[in-house]
Amino acid sequence: GAGVSQTPSNKVTEKGKYVELRCDPISGHTALYWYRQSLGQGPEFLIYFQGTGAADDSGLPNDRFFAVRPEGSVSTLKIQRTERGDSAVYLCASSQGGLPGNEQFFGPGTRLTVL
Amino acid sequence: AQRVTQPEKLLSVFKGAPVELKCNYSYSGSPELFWYVQYSRQRLQLLLRHISRESIKGFTADLNKGETSFHLKKPFAQEEDSAMYYCALPPAGNNRKLIWGLGTSLAVNP
Repeated sequence: GAGVSQTPSNKVTEKGKYVELRCDPISGHTALYWYRQSLGQGPEFLIYFQGTGAADDSGLPNDRFFAVRPEGSVSTLKIQRTERGDSAVYLCASSQGGLPGNEQFFGPGTRLTVL
Repeated sequence: AQRVTQPEKLLSVFKGAPVELKCNYSYSGSPELFWYVQYSRQRLQLLLRHISRESIKGFTADLNKGETSFHLKKPFAQEEDSAMYYCALPPAGNNRKLIWGLGTSLAVNP
């Protein structure tokens, strides 16, 4: 079947605007992760969902960032009042979840540029 | 705090030469470590995990608890191995999210 998909692939916005980034995980995967990757850095954990609930949101940098997964499948990462420092590639990954060390399958990422 | 260190940002070797990408970690307990790879214009994907003790695309990695290392090795590098390689581990008490190194860019020259 299809892998993890993310839309849009690129998003350019102005400082102060609101953006939504979407992730479609692999069908049947209960665990979903959001990461952020800045240039020259490794992925930085943001939030993890197990089913519909956010099991760990300790990586969200501040309250401008919020993510939902209302039906336990598609997830949306929402960023309010965007700042130039939010510019990065936002990665989504999913896994079958429940067991330690489950392989995470990554999407292609959304490149966010805040002007 | 748990941490993953990849000391080399860039590693350049010639085709057929051995390659070793270094990964050191700080962790209390028995870690579970992963190597992920990102080829040009492709998405990040799992290469191997130490718990499987497997060899993927000729790569192996051995966990050395004494040296707190999980170096990735291949005896004969190929041009198609050129990619970005990331070492990662889940923090203690949380097996789901991953802590990542900064990555090493491997360039295999003809």
